[in-house]
Amino acid sequence: AQKVTQAQTEISVVEKEDVTLDCVYETRDTTYYLFWYKQPPSGELVFLIRRNSFDEQNEISGRYSWNFQKSTSSFNFTITASQVVDSAVYFCALLTASKLTFGTGTRLQVTL
Amino acid sequence: EAGVAQSPRYKIIEKRQSVAFWCNPISGHATLYWYQQILGQGPKLLIQFQNNGVVDDSQLPKDRFSAERLKGVDSTLKIQPAKLEDSAVYLCASSLENWDYEQYFGPGTRLTVT
Repeated sequence: AQKVTQAQTEISVVEKEDVTLDCVYETRDTTYYLFWYKQPPSGELVFLIRRNSFDEQNEISGRYSWNFQKSTSSFNFTITASQVVDSAVYFCALLTASKLTFGTGTRLQVTL
Repeated sequence: EAGVAQSPRYKIIEKRQSVAFWCNPISGHATLYWYQQILGQGPKLLIQFQNNGVVDDSQLPKDRFSAERLKGVDSTLKIQPAKLEDSAVYLCASSLENWDYEQYFGPGTRLTVT
């Protein structure tokens, strides 16, 4: 069985603060992919990043960065200098040969 | 490149009525998925098609839900009869081919059953 846990239900920050969204996963598969999706109020899931299980190199894309650690089965997502437009629900997801499993999401609220 | 299209965007029906949702995937994408997203939860896979064949429908409530993808392109998801607990957003996604490709999601259909 596979599982994705996003323990933070909701996070509120003031604009320009840094924020980290946590993701812990469980799987017995040795080959898998991890994803982060953003779901703004419009409802559409927007793909942010994909990492495979053999690549633990951290990645930075503008204000976004991801920290993948197999030793702790974690794939955390950090937004630097948050902006109001970052307000959304963020989902971590795990893809194996069987299916794509989502976490329950973290709602991020960025205020002025 | 056009994204995944879904219609309708919103639907309100009474319990025991029937409803159908339509999805047009990204051109050339062989794999199509239907997800159910209940408020406050992550999407849950209902059914996965590879071309016009079903790959996984283990979580589809087959007594009331059905889905088809007759020509390997568009797909329809039907609920008959609807229950109150079917109120959710129904998301369609598509991917290029194999399971390890990114899934691209449509805007979803928000269903309210009263």
